[in-house]
Amino acid sequence: QVQVVESGGGVVQPGRSLRLSCAASGFTFSTYAMHWVRQAPGKGLEWVAVISYDGGNKYYADSVRGRFTISRDNFKNTLYLQMNSLRAEDTAVYYCARDRQWLLAFDIWGQGTMVTVSS
Amino acid sequence: SSELTQDPAVSVALGQTVRITCQGDSLRTYYTSWYQQKPGQAPVLVIYGRNNRPSGIPDRFSGSSSGDTASLTITGAQAEDEADYYCNSRDSSGNHLVFGGGTKLTVL
Repeated sequence: QVQVVESGGGVVQPGRSLRLSCAASGFTFSTYAMHWVRQAPGKGLEWVAVISYDGGNKYYADSVRGRFTISRDNFKNTLYLQMNSLRAEDTAVYYCARDRQWLLAFDIWGQGTMVTVSS
Repeated sequence: SSELTQDPAVSVALGQTVRITCQGDSLRTYYTSWYQQKPGQAPVLVIYGRNNRPSGIPDRFSGSSSGDTASLTITGAQAEDEADYYCNSRDSSGNHLVFGGGTKLTVL
């Protein structure tokens, strides 16, 4: 079935790095833009970044620009989020989501992976 | 960037109709999508575009928009509709997305 599965979360100290992965299956990954969305504990949803189907266009939320990098490997059907210079306020569940049509809607979501930034 | 504003909480009696609103300048230009999130679960898309429901979403969910305000209407709310609802749209730049703060729906 159509699904995306995130991995790579964990506990990391402030200032360190972490890379999240999102494995896609059940659809032609290379034809869809993909997003990362996060949710801090007890808080609302926050859009993080998007990458176009071919990786040619990438956009980031102001809160992560310059620290996070979104990328994809269409041969491995995998989306990535490289997170550098992590801060306590980056603590959240990170969701991978498929873009139904460029920036129109997130139609497939993973179950999320938790990232905790703490010393 | 722009903001999307939602009422923090709304309640509805079982079987009645409820409207959840989302306000923001960018909604004059861009479509809104709506997401339902239950505790401990990932969000689920319920409405997108002009007024489209993904497969599996009951037809009691509908969307509309007027000016700077988009609305999600649940006609005949059910107990299982109790959840947090988030709106989402592009910001004024057109290349970034923003979520509303979310509305907690209680079905009485």
